[in-house]
Order: sequence, then C-alpha cells, then structure tokens
Amino acid sequence: GQNIDQPTEMTATEGAIVQINCTYQTSGFNGLFWYQQHAGEAPTFLSYNVLDGLEEKGRFSSFLSRSKGYSYLLLKELQMKDSASYLCAAVDSNYQLIWGAGTKLIIKP
Amino acid sequence: ETGVTQTPRHLVMGMTNKKSLKCEQHLGHNAMYWYKQSAKKPLELMFVYSLEERVENNSVPSRFSPECPNSSHLFLHLHTLQPEDSALYLCASSQTSGSPGELFFGEGSRLTVL
Repeated sequence: GQNIDQPTEMTATEGAIVQINCTYQTSGFNGLFWYQQHAGEAPTFLSYNVLDGLEEKGRFSSFLSRSKGYSYLLLKELQMKDSASYLCAAVDSNYQLIWGAGTKLIIKP
Repeated sequence: ETGVTQTPRHLVMGMTNKKSLKCEQHLGHNAMYWYKQSAKKPLELMFVYSLEERVENNSVPSRFSPECPNSSHLFLHLHTLQPEDSALYLCASSQTSGSPGELFFGEGSRLTVL
C-alpha cells in the first residue's frame, strides 16, 4: 500500500534549527509537497520537490532523495510564528496526493 | 478577497439535520476538492471536481453529497450524519486536477455532530 511517515510532534528552541523528516512509499512518484498549517488556519504551500537535492527558500529548505524515498524540511533561525503543523504529501503515478498525518512543531522561547 | 473562502467556519448539527457547507474560489482555477481532516490523521480526499464534473469519489458515504454548480463554487450537502463525521472539512482548488499542482486551501468548516 501507499504510505507516508513523519513524526507526530517535535519541539525546538527559538533561534535554533529543526529538521522534519518524511519517508514515503508510493506507486510511482511525481514529486513531494510540504505544507504549513497553523492551528485553525488553512494549509499553505511551502515547497515542491521532484528532483533529488536541496531547494532553499529563505529560512526554509526542502530536500529530496528519490532513491531512498525520503524528504526533509529544514527550518533555520526558528521564530515563534513557526509553531504549526507541517504536512508532507507525495504525488503518485496517478497524480494522487498521498498525505502524511502531519508533524506538530512546538517552538519554545 | 481571499483565494478560497469557506462558510460556515463552525457548524454544530444533530444526526437528523440537513446542512450544507459552501466553498468559493476567486483564483480562476479549474479544479476543486473536498478534504476531511481529523486529528492526527492524514488528510482524506473526499471529492474532486474538474471543470464542474466530478472526477473522484473516494468511497464516501452517501450522507455526504457534493455539488459544483460552476467552477468557482463547491458545496457539500450533509444529512443524517454520524458523530464520527465530526472533523474539519477543507475545500481546496488548483489550476487543474491531473498534474501535481499546488493546492490552495480554505480555512475549513469545523463540523460537530451531536
């Protein structure tokens, strides 16, 4: 079956760096998305990776290894406003999104 | 105008009630989606509409009935729901449904079934 695994919850300190991992098993692969969802708000797009490697976008970077079925989201210089859930979703061969359950990130002062 | 707007934001209903959720997108997209989000579970895709035609129906119980009168509006009609249907219902839109395009979500309708 198709599956996405990501940690349920992580805690980090303001100003630090945190890496949120995501592993996937899908029938075919057409890329991987990361979304951010603050409590009570809409999920918003962070990144899309389809090729291996690291893509940097300001304080946030996303990495993909297709051979390992693995991605991570790297958040630098953490701010309190980064407290949110981070959703990983892989695109299968039918262009269906396979979602993880999300990682709740708690930032402490 | 925000990109995707959902109403109501909160809804409490009894098991015998009939209610509807509404979604409107102002982005000129051709595809619209209903998702169910339950605590600590992955997003569950319920329905997909592309150019006002339903292209996906993931074995959703018939007590949920979608309607897409035009490419900007999407409804989810609810009747005789069960307590386990309590969840956040998210509407989303994208340029098309057949490619890995970015989804734009509404803020959701929080449904509680008593």
